[in-house]
Amino acid sequence: KQEVTQIPAALSVPEGENLVLNCSFTDSAIYNLQWFRQDPGKGLTSLLLIQSSQREQTSGRLNASLDKSSGRSTLYIAASQPGDSATYLCAVRRLQGAQKLVFGQGTRLTINP
Amino acid sequence: GAVVSQHPSWVICKSGTSVKIECRSLDFQATTMFWYRQFPKQSLMLMATSNEGSKATYEQGVEKDKFLINHASLTLSTLTVTSAHPEDSSFYICSATLAGAIDTQYFGPGTRLTVL
Repeated sequence: KQEVTQIPAALSVPEGENLVLNCSFTDSAIYNLQWFRQDPGKGLTSLLLIQSSQREQTSGRLNASLDKSSGRSTLYIAASQPGDSATYLCAVRRLQGAQKLVFGQGTRLTINP
Repeated sequence: GAVVSQHPSWVICKSGTSVKIECRSLDFQATTMFWYRQFPKQSLMLMATSNEGSKATYEQGVEKDKFLINHASLTLSTLTVTSAHPEDSSFYICSATLAGAIDTQYFGPGTRLTVL
């Protein structure tokens, strides 16, 4: 059974800092991995999707890496801003039943002005 | 981009009543919709996968008679929580996918259900 773990559960940093969020998964047989952002009481916004054959993806100040063999992914946020405050969720799609997403419990990020 | 809506955005009901939550894809046809529930400060847990015109596939541990899912058209899926109890209070989120785009799910804004 695929399990996804995110560390830390919560993170608070001053504005302007670079930061890294971590995600690990137990079964390396994944189709792809996706990072989402969730604002309080809201749905999910997709940030980055990394296919299993890829090592990283970048979008603006965000960079996500994937090391499938070790079951790890990181989300790097450069020059953090208060508007980045949200919960960040990592999710993997399995090779079998690839439509289904298995989510981690998220990292609650607070950027202090 | 593709938009998914949910209605209502929040609902409060008495224990023992049934509540229906709608999930609509506004500008695309969704062959598959997913229903998740999320407890406070916890992750999303998949409840069921709903394909248009067929019965939903429920995840292990999810009571299909309690959480009735109907996907009667390519733009609408409904989740009915029957005989709701306080432990059913949660945040319910749906997502929808386009045919052939298995790695693209568009998420709705969620519905907050509170059962008194």
